Amino acid sequence: NAGVMQNPRHLVRRRGQEARLRCSPMKGHSHVYWYRQLPEEGLKFMVYLQKENIIDESGMPKERFSAEFPKEGPSILRIQQVVRGDSAAYFCASSPAGTGTYEQYFGPGTRLTVT
Amino acid sequence: EDQVTQSPEALRLQEGESSSLNCSYTVSGLRGLFWYRQDPGKGPEFLFTLYSAGEEKEKERLKATLTKKESFLHITAPKPEDSATYLCAVQSRSNDYKLSFGAGTTVTVRA
Repeated sequence: NAGVMQNPRHLVRRRGQEARLRCSPMKGHSHVYWYRQLPEEGLKFMVYLQKENIIDESGMPKERFSAEFPKEGPSILRIQQVVRGDSAAYFCASSPAGTGTYEQYFGPGTRLTVT
Repeated sequence: EDQVTQSPEALRLQEGESSSLNCSYTVSGLRGLFWYRQDPGKGPEFLFTLYSAGEEKEKERLKATLTKKESFLHITAPKPEDSATYLCAVQSRSNDYKLSFGAGTTVTVRA
């Protein structure tokens, strides 16, 4: 019973390049959440998606960041024109439903380094 | 805005030395309080959900309790494999999908 999968696990980008982070939720889960963990800081909510819908993107920077969860395939977090401040660990979580007291199960994360 | 404060930031224990971690929270209507464990270089691993004051949950050497203002994670007779960062998070009734995390308590258990 595979857990949440994320790839790549490590990603190095030069300033100005694009970063694409992928997340496959647990089997049977249709809700995906992205969180960012900056060095020496706690996890911060970025965006909540259901299939083909963005429910809440209030935690995501307005510029350069976008997220999608298509009908088929993984959820993608896209960062355009990366800057050094984007260096962080990005975690994806999934749950079987978005409301109620369902736990969120996290993937291993993608560690983005911007040089 | 939901606020979660964890203390202490770091805790060094001798194997077998029981202790407690604190999580103080401010939230407009608590939906649930969650404890996670995070090992270096890995994602948070779910431990417990607590829903109402007075509730307690146990798993091996860990026991989580909840009051109206704080939660405690008690570690009884810890072993070196209990070394990790323990994260507390809350969900509010108004945003019952968003987890607001504390900064965590890093526990080191020496043999």
